Amino acid sequence: DIQMTQSPSTLSASVGDRVTITCRASQTISSWLAWYQQKPGKAPRFLIYEASSLESGVPSRFSGSGSGTEFTLTISSLQPDDFATYYCQQYNSYPLTFGGGTKVEIK
Amino acid sequence: QVQLQQWGAGLLQPSETLSLTCAVYGETFSNHSWTWIRQSPGTGLEWIGEINHGGSTNYNPSLKSRVTISVDTSKNQFSLKVNSVTAADTAVYYCARGRVAFDYWGQGNLVTVSS
Repeated sequence: DIQMTQSPSTLSASVGDRVTITCRASQTISSWLAWYQQKPGKAPRFLIYEASSLESGVPSRFSGSGSGTEFTLTISSLQPDDFATYYCQQYNSYPLTFGGGTKVEIK
Repeated sequence: QVQLQQWGAGLLQPSETLSLTCAVYGETFSNHSWTWIRQSPGTGLEWIGEINHGGSTNYNPSLKSRVTISVDTSKNQFSLKVNSVTAADTAVYYCARGRVAFDYWGQGNLVTVSS
């Protein structure tokens, strides 16, 4: 199985900050990576696919980059609605696997 | 507006069978594959498996021996069964649309396995 490792596990930031979350794959996954946002008690929300393509309706302050084994999710200017936990997920090969999550909390 | 609504028993005893169903609204069922994912504090998000409208399935090898995903296209529904559950199967279970990435999700069902 491909292991997905996210860092940091927790990130403290303020409204307006630029935030970057890293996701590393244990082997190359090309650009077959998705990002999700999850708030407490809710299902994950689909943000990004193919590492950098923004899902329809997702604000443009979210962006993704990377290929191979290292990927980043960036929020250009953190908004109050963005405090949540973020997960990466690889779909290069089965079984599909998720990262452990990065919680973005208020500083 | 695509909506996934899921239901099933929330409390099971060890060795029982977990059974959940997900109904799809506002979508042509045959246009997509449909997936089950679970989430627990211990193991995080875990892909369980997927099914397409024709009934072809793909399961996580870690669960394959105990899992069955089935589809009822006449009702726009798909279902999950997990046999011989243990406390390790305690999790929130989600249904979702998609084969490899998931753009619509059900609301989630907490399933607790306890004697």
